[in-house]
Amino acid sequence: AAGVIQSPRHLIKEKRETATLKCYPIPRHDTVYWYQQGPGQDPQFLISFYEKMQSDKGSIPDRFSAQQFSDYHSELNMSSLELGDSALYFCASSATGTGDSPLHFGNGTRLTVT
Amino acid sequence: GQQLNQSPQSMFIQEGEDVSMNCTSSSIFNTWLWYKQDPGEGPVLLIALYKAGELTSNGRLTAQFGITRKDSFLNISASIPSDVGIYFCAGQWVSNRDDKIIFGKGTRLHILP
Repeated sequence: AAGVIQSPRHLIKEKRETATLKCYPIPRHDTVYWYQQGPGQDPQFLISFYEKMQSDKGSIPDRFSAQQFSDYHSELNMSSLELGDSALYFCASSATGTGDSPLHFGNGTRLTVT
Repeated sequence: GQQLNQSPQSMFIQEGEDVSMNCTSSSIFNTWLWYKQDPGEGPVLLIALYKAGELTSNGRLTAQFGITRKDSFLNISASIPSDVGIYFCAGQWVSNRDDKIIFGKGTRLHILP
């Protein structure tokens, strides 16, 4: 079965650079979620989109922005990167409102800021 | 804000032992989810529970949705080395507009040699 696809798998950037992470949800899933996971931490919710509109916002820094496109894929844009942004970034997708659509996660993008 | 209390935080067991972990919340959820995460990988859905009182099995895994809708447990029977990892519970509130989900802090399972 198709899963959530994230790219790139690994990304190394320098401080103050920008990064773009991409997420392709499971087909027919209309909701995308972004999570940040630091070492030894549980995933922290950043932001979510439903039908291309922002549906919820968590602890996303102002330096980050995201959007969901007409084909439901999503991109997380990160600017002015800081060392503390180094983490695993996960995307998850679900089919909102169906009542039986749990979140399915991608394998993440490991961002290293040097 | 809403919080999930997941316990234990970590477990050290012998291969072949049974494992039990649970999550409790002050809030009601209409879905409980259990995930396993291996190092450097994304959380993988193990079991999804949709009804209060529901007991669901997936191989050696058994999970239950508490009657109060505020708690859930996960049991693993006859643990094997590949069970090592971090187990997260998640409470999900499903509506027509969006889904809200909250994760527990995780239970780290270690199997002693």
